[in-house]
Formats: sequence, structure tokens, C-alpha cells
Amino acid sequence: EVQLVESGGGLVQPGGSLRLSCAASGFSFSGSHLNWVRQAPGKGLEWVAYIGAGGNTWYADSVQGRFAISRDNAENSLSLQMNGLRREDTALYYCASDRDWAFNSWGQGTLVTVSS
Amino acid sequence: QSALTQPASVSGSPGQSITISCTGTSSDVGTYNRVSWYQQHPDKAPKLMIYEVTKRPSGVSNRFSGSKSGNTASLTISGLQTEDEADYYCCSYVDNNAWVFGGGTKLTVL
Repeated sequence: EVQLVESGGGLVQPGGSLRLSCAASGFSFSGSHLNWVRQAPGKGLEWVAYIGAGGNTWYADSVQGRFAISRDNAENSLSLQMNGLRREDTALYYCASDRDWAFNSWGQGTLVTVSS
Repeated sequence: QSALTQPASVSGSPGQSITISCTGTSSDVGTYNRVSWYQQHPDKAPKLMIYEVTKRPSGVSNRFSGSKSGNTASLTISGLQTEDEADYYCCSYVDNNAWVFGGGTKLTVL
């Protein structure tokens, strides 16, 4: 069974940093493309970042230059380093695996709150 | 990376069919057959329902179907059931390596 478990969320002040993690199991992690997708409270889904099986990365314009996605295939772990956080980054952050150009499996999310 | 356009809400009675539209541009929906649809119940993670415009993942009911014409993709749910009541999001790959979601549609089963 595919499992994606996010962690690392919390309360952070504007301008601060946070690192999210996603522990994966039940599928071929090293051969999979992975993403972070977020959802602000009461709002819709927003794609944040992608990392391919080969390590290439893509970012949404809204986080380019502030967030960095990375993966550790030895640990079956996905990370998102978030710097220069803004109030509008407040959201539930999901990690999601990517196959056939779609997000086929999702975690339950970790909540990030940016507030003073 | 402008959001795709979906109706805010749709409704239908049990047994009826409904269609949710998702309008993009020639930079996303109109060019790529990389449109997917997600169902999200309250306080739950999204679930993939349709990928590559028309394909259903294993385990998804055949009451769910997808299509596309020009810059608009559509999700049709036939034989509505009460458990179909949820939020639905479309998503498309976009030029220059990105994805964009629609704003979401709240489906009410009356």
C-alpha cells in the first residue's frame, strides 16, 4: 500500500524558514516523480514544486527562489525547504506522487501557519 | 500560471448526471492531454478520479468520465450518488514545466 506521511509543519513568523518532510513507502520511490501541493484554509489546491526521478526540479512562480524541493532516495524521503515565508504561504502542504501526468497518491498533509 | 476556470458550484439529484467544466488556454488544456480531475471530501486529501483527460485509475467508478474540446475539459458524473457530494478540481500541465489547478467546484447532491 502506498503511504505518504508529511511532517514538519508549524507556526513560523513572516520571513522565517521551515523544512517539511514526506516519508514514503509502498512504491518504487527512486523511480517516482514527486510534488508538493498546498491548500490555504478554505481555498483550492495550488501546485508548489516538482522533483523528477532524475532530480530535475520545477517551481510555481509564487515560490520560485524561496522554496527548494529535494529528495533522498536512500531514505525514501522528500523535503521542501521554505525560506522567506509570507502570510500567504499559510496552507496545508501535501506531498503527492506523480504518474501519467497526474497526482496519483497523496499524503494527509502538514499545516504551515505564517503569522506574527 | 493562471488558474483554470471552473464553476463554483453544481448540483443534481440522485440518479441524475452532471458535468463540470474546466476552461484553460492554449498554453495548458488546449495543447496538452495532461488534464486530471480530483475529488476532495471535507478534511480529506484529494483523490485522483481521471487522468490524461479520459482515463480512470483502477478502483474509480465508471460513473466518472472525462472529455476535452479545445481549451475546455469536462468531468461527467452519471447516476449521481450521495457520496459523490464533494469538491472537484481539474488540473493541467502548463507550458514551461508547471501545473495549474482550477478553482474547484462544490458538488451538491440534493
